[in-house]
Amino acid sequence: GAVVSQHPSWVICKSGTSVKIECRSLDFQATTMFWYRQFPKQSLMLMATSNEGSKATYEQGVEKDKFLINHASLTLSTLTVTSAHPEDSSFYICSARGPETSAHEQYFGPGTRLTVT
Amino acid sequence: LAKTTQPISMDSYEGQEVNITCSHNNIATNDYITWYQQFPSQGPRFIIQGYKTKVTNEVASLFIPADRKSSTLSLPRVSLSDTAVYYCLVVNTGFQKLVFGTGTRLLVSP
Repeated sequence: GAVVSQHPSWVICKSGTSVKIECRSLDFQATTMFWYRQFPKQSLMLMATSNEGSKATYEQGVEKDKFLINHASLTLSTLTVTSAHPEDSSFYICSARGPETSAHEQYFGPGTRLTVT
Repeated sequence: LAKTTQPISMDSYEGQEVNITCSHNNIATNDYITWYQQFPSQGPRFIIQGYKTKVTNEVASLFIPADRKSSTLSLPRVSLSDTAVYYCLVVNTGFQKLVFGTGTRLLVSP
């Protein structure tokens, strides 16, 4: 099956700093990538959708200037949390689909645990 | 996007069959029903999807009645490793994004 990786798997940063999370599709071309956030004991919340070579589409309530998404190639998307604060501490998960992937099947990465101190 | 409702939690024992029902009263003609599984601190994993009647794969079965207003995920002979959160989603083939509901937290005990 298709594999999606994330790096790092966990990160601790100080308040006010920026953190970059990478999402890679290892064995397929990801024309579309998605970024989710999940707080403890809660469901996944979609943050944004990015198509390769285009600007990301953010969900309502998600600050695009705070969560910078870049999808510069067909195998890599990055999420940068700028000026992180403790309330940004969460589990960030990416998913990807390729041109042949059906709409209802996405491949998810293992997630990145962000802790802001 | 059709809203889904499923039980918040379920308990079972090893070796039993588990059926998780999801209601989606406002499902549209172009919508598919999809189930994902998520273990703690991991990304979700696609389990099964269907449009109508019954679908079976190596992991689970999905039963969808004729009116498609509900669906049931059936896990045969669960083991401890099936303890996870199971999400029912309704996905329109014309849209890209998945909207996750609350999910069902399944606990399998020895």
